[in-house]
Amino acid sequence: GNSVTQMEGPVTLSEEAFLTINCTYTATGYPSLFWYVQYPGEGLQLLLKATKADDKGSNKGFEATYRKETTSFHLEKGSVQVSDSAVYFCALSDRSGNTPLVFGKGTRLSVIA
Amino acid sequence: EAQVTQNPRYLITVTGKKLTVTCSQNMNHEYMSWYRQDPGLGLRQIYYSMNVEVTDKGDVPEGYKVSRKEKRNFPLILESPSPNQTSLYFCASSPIPGQGSYEQYFGPGTRLTVT
Repeated sequence: GNSVTQMEGPVTLSEEAFLTINCTYTATGYPSLFWYVQYPGEGLQLLLKATKADDKGSNKGFEATYRKETTSFHLEKGSVQVSDSAVYFCALSDRSGNTPLVFGKGTRLSVIA
Repeated sequence: EAQVTQNPRYLITVTGKKLTVTCSQNMNHEYMSWYRQDPGLGLRQIYYSMNVEVTDKGDVPEGYKVSRKEKRNFPLILESPSPNQTSLYFCASSPIPGQGSYEQYFGPGTRLTVT
């Protein structure tokens, strides 16, 4: 079945540090890939997405590239801020329409000033 | 404003006392879903619905019921709650899966404690 594996946290960084959160997936066919973010006390919200190989999703300074050859969708940001502290979830959707969204277990990021 | 609403946001109850958590969306989405979030386990799907009167079990359906009588509403029912159902619950909705990529829109969450 479809699955998503992301690096375990927590991740603690200083402000302006470079961020990478690894995500790899297993899926049949060509899924769409997502990164969701959950700020403290809130629900999940979409951060970025990519729908086909080599697509790059980007938003709020975050980027992720859909790499079919390595089945990966790593999240990166060049300079994190304290306000980026949150839990980040990698997810995929199977285009067949019958499989619900599959999430990784989440990675908690803490950015300190 | 397009949104998914859940009520209540916080609930403390006792074992065995039936409860319902409501979920409503105003985006005319066909697909709705319930998740629970637990430390170290991430998000796990409880039930989902592809449209009115169509519901299916997710990964952890035991102890829960749902109904989808109207497109906008998807209540989660715990007939006889137990302490292992203490969790943070999220409702989500999206356009019908399969029609291109889609994102799910999440409600703010309901924190349930069963004593």
